[in-house]
Amino acid sequence: KNQVEQSPQSLIILEGKNCTLQCNYTVSPFSNLRWYKQDTGRGPVSLTIMTFSENTKSNGRYTATLDADTKQSSLHITASQLSDSASYICVVSDRGSTLGRLYFGRGTQLTVWP
Amino acid sequence: EADIYQTPRYLVIGTGKKITLECSQTMGHDKMYWYQQDPGMELHLIHYSYGVNSTEKGDLSSESTVSRIRTEHFPLTLESARPSHTSQYLCASSEALNTGELFFGEGSRLTVL
Repeated sequence: KNQVEQSPQSLIILEGKNCTLQCNYTVSPFSNLRWYKQDTGRGPVSLTIMTFSENTKSNGRYTATLDADTKQSSLHITASQLSDSASYICVVSDRGSTLGRLYFGRGTQLTVWP
Repeated sequence: EADIYQTPRYLVIGTGKKITLECSQTMGHDKMYWYQQDPGMELHLIHYSYGVNSTEKGDLSSESTVSRIRTEHFPLTLESARPSHTSQYLCASSEALNTGELFFGEGSRLTVL
């Protein structure tokens, strides 16, 4: 069964600290993996996309990694800010069709305290 | 900044009422989607469309219906709302090519009393 599991479910950190969010998936065949940020009461926004051949990709203070062999991805946030408080959702796409089936994780709720 | 809009943002209605959630995008995307999201749970696809006059049911069974008469417009309708329909509804669109990136609206939070 294709699944996407994220950990931790929730995380509280102090402003300025770093943190790492995890995503494990069993989706096969694999096309790509995206990390989305969803602010409270808003729609998700894409942060980064990882394809099979990519190991690391950065977007400002966000760095995503992908290990396609172990089917794991991580999102590292450096020097956290209050505005980083949000839910971070891991989404994996398969290659099953032109539509590409998407599998969603439940998200990690990050809270940054001053 | 994504150009996809949903109205209303919040709606509280009584059981048995008919409601329509509006979704419009100005990006010219062929593919559009409706997702349902409950707190702490993953997004569930309830409807999608490949283009004009195309509508398909998603993974999660839903009593709602959709239409796609124009490329930019993808409304969702509930003929008779029930408390079990209380949820957050997210509309999204994507380009024809399967890049996997979805552009989401800000959501419509529906509460049925």
